Amino acid sequence: GENVEQHPSTLSVQEGDSAVIKCTYSDSASNYFPWYKQELGKGPQLIIDIRSNVGEKKDQRIAVTLNKTAKHFSLHITETQPEDSAVYFCAASTRDSTLTFGKGTMLLVSP
Amino acid sequence: EAGVAQSPRYKIIEKRQSVAFWCNPISGHATLYWYQQILGQGPKLLIQFQNNGVVDDSQLPKDRFSAERLKGVDSTLKIQPAKLEDSAVYLCASSLLAHSGSSRHTGELFFGEGSRLTVL
Repeated sequence: GENVEQHPSTLSVQEGDSAVIKCTYSDSASNYFPWYKQELGKGPQLIIDIRSNVGEKKDQRIAVTLNKTAKHFSLHITETQPEDSAVYFCAASTRDSTLTFGKGTMLLVSP
Repeated sequence: EAGVAQSPRYKIIEKRQSVAFWCNPISGHATLYWYQQILGQGPKLLIQFQNNGVVDDSQLPKDRFSAERLKGVDSTLKIQPAKLEDSAVYLCASSLLAHSGSSRHTGELFFGEGSRLTVL
């Protein structure tokens, strides 16, 4: 089955800095890559997703890039704010499977 | 629009006891999921329903876990008997779309706040 590795496990940045979280996947048939944000005591919430026919997608301060050849994708957050502090999960799925999540990255943005 | 509702939020039991969790998905959502999230890990799928039928229960420990979705709306997840390693947050999620023969993708998953289980 699919295996998703996520790095780093924790990331501390100063407010205003950029943050990058990276994921690799094992199944070359994977074609859907969402990112979820989980705040303390809440369920995960979709923040951005990308499909395999696209290399990059942006939504205001967040962007996701996909390198199908290398089987990795990344989340980029610019101009970080304290409210960006949360656990971020990447995930991947193929046409025939449900989502497999990474282990998560705890992002801490200090004022 | 009301989100996914789960109860109870917290439950503490002793090993070998039983527990049940309830989920009410967003109205009109065809697909319902139960995930297990162990501390420090990502959500792991236990079971996926489409309407009131099971799509995927390959990772559900069927000797102790059971789930049902009556009338294609609410769902209940039961653990009996519980083990120490069942301590986790149990997340329910729903999505608007149903999977088709051409794709398992069901669009954005909307998660509830979860039910935290502690087994002593």
